[in-house]
Amino acid sequence: NAGVTQTPKFRVLKTGQSMTLLCAQDMNHEYMYWYRQDPGMGLRLIHYSVGEGTTAKGEVPDGYNVSRLKKQNFLLGLESAAPSQTSVYFCASIRLGGRDYEQYFGPGTRLTVT
Amino acid sequence: DAKTTQPNSMESNEEEPVHLPCNHSTISGTDYIHWYRQLPSQGPEYVIHGLTSNVNNRMASLAIAEDRKSSTLILHRATLRDAAVYYCILRDVLAAGNKLTFGGGTRVLVKP
Repeated sequence: NAGVTQTPKFRVLKTGQSMTLLCAQDMNHEYMYWYRQDPGMGLRLIHYSVGEGTTAKGEVPDGYNVSRLKKQNFLLGLESAAPSQTSVYFCASIRLGGRDYEQYFGPGTRLTVT
Repeated sequence: DAKTTQPNSMESNEEEPVHLPCNHSTISGTDYIHWYRQLPSQGPEYVIHGLTSNVNNRMASLAIAEDRKSSTLILHRATLRDAAVYYCILRDVLAAGNKLTFGGGTRVLVKP
């Protein structure tokens, strides 16, 4: 199993450009999450999804949109990038149910907006 | 959401135990206590979690106070690979989305 993968690993955008970050998991997990992490800070939840076709807002959703058209993929979109969105973005997933609860994280995407 | 308080940083010597404290005085009965760690330039990884009883796994032990207002993560023999930021997180099982709310964490430095 590849676990949770993220594409791309690095990206530089100019202010106003758009892009989509892709998260893919091969563990058949129901829940998926997008976080951002600014330097020296903990992770903050942007959006999450509890299943295919459903999404919900997290702590810092402004400026981002998401889609979960397939169970294994969770897309994060920036329609008009701003320097304040310079951050490292992490995706995570969990399996629904059972006594275990472990969020599996991807390796991150480092985004710089100039 | 219930909040946690952790020291900003701690130092340890290699092969010695590390005790990482976490205060969560406003914990509710439906909050689980989770610990994750983040190695440099990596995503967080699960360490351990518990509700009321102490828990052990291959990575660490979790000691939970009887009133549940504090907990301690114990790394039994620190290695250089254990140098990371450790996050103590409360998860409310009744909240939508099974979400984790990360705080600032404790940065652990392991000296050889």
